[in-house]
Amino acid sequence: EPEVTQTPSHQVTQMGQEVILRCVPISNHLYFYWYRQILGQKVEFLVSFYNNEISEKSEIFDDQFSVERPDGSNFTLKIRSTKLEDSAMYFCASSGTGLNTGELFFGEGSRLTVL
Amino acid sequence: GESVGLHLPTLSVQEGDNSIINCAYSNSASDYFIWYKQESGKGPQFIIDIRSNMDKRQGQRVTVLLNKTVKHLSLQIAATQPGDSAVYFCAENDGGSQGNLIFGKGTKLSVKP
Repeated sequence: EPEVTQTPSHQVTQMGQEVILRCVPISNHLYFYWYRQILGQKVEFLVSFYNNEISEKSEIFDDQFSVERPDGSNFTLKIRSTKLEDSAMYFCASSGTGLNTGELFFGEGSRLTVL
Repeated sequence: GESVGLHLPTLSVQEGDNSIINCAYSNSASDYFIWYKQESGKGPQFIIDIRSNMDKRQGQRVTVLLNKTVKHLSLQIAATQPGDSAVYFCAENDGGSQGNLIFGKGTKLSVKP
């Protein structure tokens, strides 16, 4: 069964450092998303991406965050200068037809710990 | 602000019983609702969805009910099994958004053997 894969599974970094989280969406999907979940809290939308550009982003997704699809298979989330409050589980998701016509498939997440 | 919330944070049921997990939403413009299951250390897993032009949708052992009048969503799990133990989230597409799912806080379902 096709799945969304994410790396690394866990990253520990110092405050102020740059972090790149990587995702390989399901191969024929066209819509890509990043969500995050702070420990014990609900899953929160960060950004959606389609046709090589951001479709929507939340207020969490400030100028410290960026996304990129550098090639035909990877979708990355970069945090330029990490803060303590960026510590969370980051989930990548993809969809073949967009949210309103199909489900989002989530990866297993990348846990980011900022010290 | 408008949000999705859950009535009960935890639910404990006996194996074989039916489970009902409830959710309230407040964005009347949302037209697509999803239930996700999240097991410990894993990402959300799609269970079932429903669009606002429907009141009920059934899957395998699961049923989602949508009451637009009172903005209420529920997930019914028939013959609950130990493997159903997880946190369940309802989510709505924020006012018809194409990508922004608003998740509720989650209900932890524990199934006792």
